[in-house]
Amino acid sequence: QQQVKQSPQSLIVQKGGISIINCAYENTAFDYFPWYQQFPGKGPALLIAIRPDVSEKKEGRFTISFNKSAKQFSLHIMDSQPGDSATYFCAASAGSNYQLIWGAGTKLIIKP
Amino acid sequence: DVKVTQSSRYLVKRTGEKVFLECVQDMDHENMFWYRQDPGLGLRLIYFSYDVKMKEKGDIPEGYSVSREKKERFSLILESASTNQTSMYLCASSFVQGSEKLFFGSGTQLSVL
Repeated sequence: QQQVKQSPQSLIVQKGGISIINCAYENTAFDYFPWYQQFPGKGPALLIAIRPDVSEKKEGRFTISFNKSAKQFSLHIMDSQPGDSATYFCAASAGSNYQLIWGAGTKLIIKP
Repeated sequence: DVKVTQSSRYLVKRTGEKVFLECVQDMDHENMFWYRQDPGLGLRLIYFSYDVKMKEKGDIPEGYSVSREKKERFSLILESASTNQTSMYLCASSFVQGSEKLFFGSGTQLSVL
């Protein structure tokens, strides 16, 4: 019940296309859902996050879509660019718990 | 900008050695974390600390210990390194209680031979 299942494991998208990464969870107590972006040789960095009081959050080309009833959330990258090539992690946590539960990661490659 | 600095980018150790991984943050953050990153497994929490001299076990504390003598510094100790501890180790810090924004270091790739 503590797991966050992330798919796909890897994704190749043409430049200018839409990249979509999905995550699913079971624990209905989760109330914070961040996405982290990790470039090779670097640690993950917070990209965008959502709380379940909204169904969508957009920051530039990055959008989180949240479906509370389905217990799923996804990251959409519009107009994907080669510079977006990275590993993306979804995560979730409940309340003020320190422990983020992480997805397994998606390696995204944007082909020029 | 917050800076989380890990002392080594790459480290090679022998089985049975005692290994110290050091992490320093410069933003007066209360909370510090040690994660282990393995392909296909995401990030797994080893230990975290919400105050000086305080520590809490994460999901996979076995074979590890930590030390936080100063607010800015959080050390991960492998008492007797084993080959299954070969991994990428990531240190992170955060300001507020809970799981708000984490700031990560660049990681230490540890190989135990």
